[in-house]
Amino acid sequence: KAGVTQTPRYLIKTRGQQVTLSCSPISGHRSVSWYQQTPGQGLQFLFEYFSETQRNKGNFPGRFSGRQFSNSRSEMNVSTLELGDSALYLCASSQLDGSYTFGSGTRLTVV
Amino acid sequence: SQELEQSPQSLIVQEGKNLTINCTSSKTLYGLYWYKQKYGEGLIFLMMLQKGGEEKSHEKITAKLDEKKQQSSLHITASQPSHAGIYLCGAELQGAQKLVFGQGTRLTINP
Repeated sequence: KAGVTQTPRYLIKTRGQQVTLSCSPISGHRSVSWYQQTPGQGLQFLFEYFSETQRNKGNFPGRFSGRQFSNSRSEMNVSTLELGDSALYLCASSQLDGSYTFGSGTRLTVV
Repeated sequence: SQELEQSPQSLIVQEGKNLTINCTSSKTLYGLYWYKQKYGEGLIFLMMLQKGGEEKSHEKITAKLDEKKQQSSLHITASQPSHAGIYLCGAELQGAQKLVFGQGTRLTINP
């Protein structure tokens, strides 16, 4: 079966712009989590969605938001981009048994 | 401080040698995951441990969970160049519906 698909793979944006990243989970998985990975902070939890509802949120400013659609696909949005938002953004889908499968990530560079 | 501490942070071993990576939690563990990551790419699932004393093996990689010590170890036997990469432990901790991650261990295999 298809894995977790993240688009786009690479993105370059200018400070102040906004960006939307997409994540399509494994078929049948209803939970999608988002993580930010940077060399200094490692993997940091952003938020988790289950059945279109945000179930958990990490310690990130309100500029980071997300949503989940009825087909379980999820998007995350970052507004008013800052240089420090440059990172690898990973999403993971999971099912009730708790196993988490990650996508290949979106590399965001803010210039 | 990190909720999950990995040690060592980096490791250089001669091909063919054995090695161990440790992951220690400051809170009760409710599931421990090991992932491998190539630079800038997504996380590849290795193993999931859920019960104290549980031990799982896949090819030359063995992971154990010591629930009392809130610790897990990943052992690689007869290391090969293909084992090189960043190893990350992730865990579902008490009171959290998310994965938290250690800072990772960068493994280099010298021929």
